[in-house]
Amino acid sequence: AQTVTQSQPEMSVQEAETVTLSCTYDTSENNYYLFWYKQPPSRQMILVIRQEAYKQQNATENRFSVNFQKAAKSFSLKISDSQLGDTAMYFCAFMNSGNTPLVFGKGTRLSVIA
Amino acid sequence: GAGVSQSPSNKVTEKGKDVELRCDPISGHTALYWYRQSLGQGLEFLIYFQGNSAPDKSGLPSDRFSAERTGGSVSTLTIQRTQQEDSAVYLCASSSRGPLGDEQFFGPGTRLTVL
Repeated sequence: AQTVTQSQPEMSVQEAETVTLSCTYDTSENNYYLFWYKQPPSRQMILVIRQEAYKQQNATENRFSVNFQKAAKSFSLKISDSQLGDTAMYFCAFMNSGNTPLVFGKGTRLSVIA
Repeated sequence: GAGVSQSPSNKVTEKGKDVELRCDPISGHTALYWYRQSLGQGLEFLIYFQGNSAPDKSGLPSDRFSAERTGGSVSTLTIQRTQQEDSAVYLCASSSRGPLGDEQFFGPGTRLTVL
């Protein structure tokens, strides 16, 4: 069974600074998908960024980028120019193939401080 | 179009009562998922529907939990004889096949409190 580990229960960052959230996973599959979801206090899960395992290039979405190390089974999220609205729980998730259930880590609570 | 909707937003019930939680997926999405998020935990998979195939019930924690999906659209998660450990946020998500078929869109969740 796949597992996802987020080793940082809580993190904080100053506004406008950069922060990196860690995620490692365990799988014997070669093709899979990885995701970072954001969950603000509203409870709404919002997709931040996704990475297909067959793509070597790291995904980037505006201020959000990932460092995908397939051999090390690592998938960290970097948030640049942190904003107060980035304050939320961040979940790393693994999907074995298209349209199958996600496996989530326990989350990292990020606080952006003014 | 509209996103995934769930009702009720909050539900408080007494131990031993049955509850029904509803999920309306995005129109046309063939896959529907139920997850449970307990306090301070990540999301735990419960059950998954894909088109007309038999649902994957491997995540249901006990036989008190069941779900159905009528007409390939709306889904209802039923918890019988609720226990205090059932208190959690229940999240529903849907997705569709296609180039972006692996993105799951989540509803706002139902917070269930069992007294």
